Amino acid sequence: DSGVTQTPKHLITATGQRVTLRCSPRSGDLSVYWYQQSLDQGLQFLIQYYNGEERAKGNILERFSAQQFPDLHSELNLSSLELGDSALYFCASDRAPDSNQPQHFGDGTRLSIL
Amino acid sequence: AQKVTQAQTEISVVEKEDVTLDCVYETRDTTYYLFWYKQPPSGELVFLIRRNSFDEQNEISGRYSWNFQKSTSSFNFTITASQVVDSAVYFCALSEAGGANNLFFGTGTRLTVIP
Repeated sequence: DSGVTQTPKHLITATGQRVTLRCSPRSGDLSVYWYQQSLDQGLQFLIQYYNGEERAKGNILERFSAQQFPDLHSELNLSSLELGDSALYFCASDRAPDSNQPQHFGDGTRLSIL
Repeated sequence: AQKVTQAQTEISVVEKEDVTLDCVYETRDTTYYLFWYKQPPSGELVFLIRRNSFDEQNEISGRYSWNFQKSTSSFNFTITASQVVDSAVYFCALSEAGGANNLFFGTGTRLTVIP
């Protein structure tokens, strides 16, 4: 058990819809990362938050957004969903970006767009 | 730009054989970190090891060993006496110090250990 909790585990929805994925980091971790794993793109970094502030952006679509709340949990919002958004979405956490500690990953949320 | 290449897409071995998974990386940073993660069929990503760019010592952990060679920009992973439970997709990844610490992943190598 990595200590990173992601909900829900599975999500099935239709094109055009909007969903929210939730992540609770390990106790003591201030930094949260979101990654997408798809057949086309492999595992790629989407966005990072540190202590409530956006720290870095990767290949995140404009239809996607995220935030980190005062209790440090994070949500990834995906809107106007397309078939190509079907993927496994991972959240990871570490103490801080410069903590030199490895990221630990949650079990992921599998999103299926019908 | 950063890049991680895992040229082996799929490998099959018979149980008890040794197997080496290759990883080649590119980065302009002088300080960086290299990782291996395991993704079993259940889908989660399991952290295996992290190396920093200043530590080229090989590491052994049980049946697992890692060979880091800066001269060839490689960070290879060897499983000795493979077992069926080793069947998984293995990812090599890179992060750059001074950046956001996000990971750049290779495309993964699917290892199948045949009983």
